[in-house]
Amino acid sequence: GAGVSQSPSNKVTEKGKDVELRCDPISGHTALYWYRQSLGQGLEFLIYFQGNSAPDKSGLPSDRFSAERTGGSVSTLTIQRTQQEDSAVYLCASSPGQGAVEQYFGPGTRLTVT
Amino acid sequence: GENVEQHPSTLSVQEGDSAVIKCTYSDSASNYFPWYKQELGKRPQLIIDIRSNVGEKKDQRIAVTLNKTAKHFSLHITETQPEDSAVYFCAAAGGTSYGKLTFGQGTILTVHP
Repeated sequence: GAGVSQSPSNKVTEKGKDVELRCDPISGHTALYWYRQSLGQGLEFLIYFQGNSAPDKSGLPSDRFSAERTGGSVSTLTIQRTQQEDSAVYLCASSPGQGAVEQYFGPGTRLTVT
Repeated sequence: GENVEQHPSTLSVQEGDSAVIKCTYSDSASNYFPWYKQELGKRPQLIIDIRSNVGEKKDQRIAVTLNKTAKHFSLHITETQPEDSAVYFCAAAGGTSYGKLTFGQGTILTVHP
C-alpha cells in the first residue's frame, strides 16, 4: 500500500518568510510524528499526534514552530519567520497507534533558508 | 527525558565480516527499541525492533540484543554485504517518552568489497 508522503520534497525560502510542510500518513494510522534531521545529524523529535488527544509539543524548538492535524489524517508543520538555523530535512512518520508503535517515515522535506 | 548514546560513529568492515553497533539509554521505563537504516538521501527504514520483554530478536542476517539491567542494546549484522553500507540509527521510546522516539547520533557503516 501507499507509504507516508510529504510535500514539497524541497523548499528554498528567504529568511523571515513563513513555510508550510505537509505530511500524508499511511491510511488508518492514528499516530503521526514530526522529526528534524540536520546535516549529518540524528533525528530530533518535534511533535506527536495520537488520535484525538492533545499533541505532545515538547520537542518544538521555539514558538515559531507549530503543527496541526486535520481530520485525524493530514498534518501541516508551519515555521514562521524562518531563520537559517531552521535549514534541515523535516521528516514525518506514522504508526498504527494503540500499542503498535512501529514508525514508518516519509521521504522528508529538505528546507533551505537563505 | 530520554537520552540515547550510540557507538561507534563510524565502522568499516570487509565484506563477509560481522558488524556490531551499540547503544545505551537513560530512561529505565523505555520499552521499545527500534533500529533504522538510512541510505544517502533516503528516508530512514525500520529494519528490526525489540521490546523490553524480549532479550534477543533475529531476522536473517540481523539481530538485536537488549540488556535491560545495563540499559543497553546492540545491533548485529552478520555476513555483511556492500549494500549494507548506510547510516544506522538506534532509538528508544516508552515510559515517560511514550510514542516519541529518541534517536542515537547514528553510525556510518561502510562494507568494503
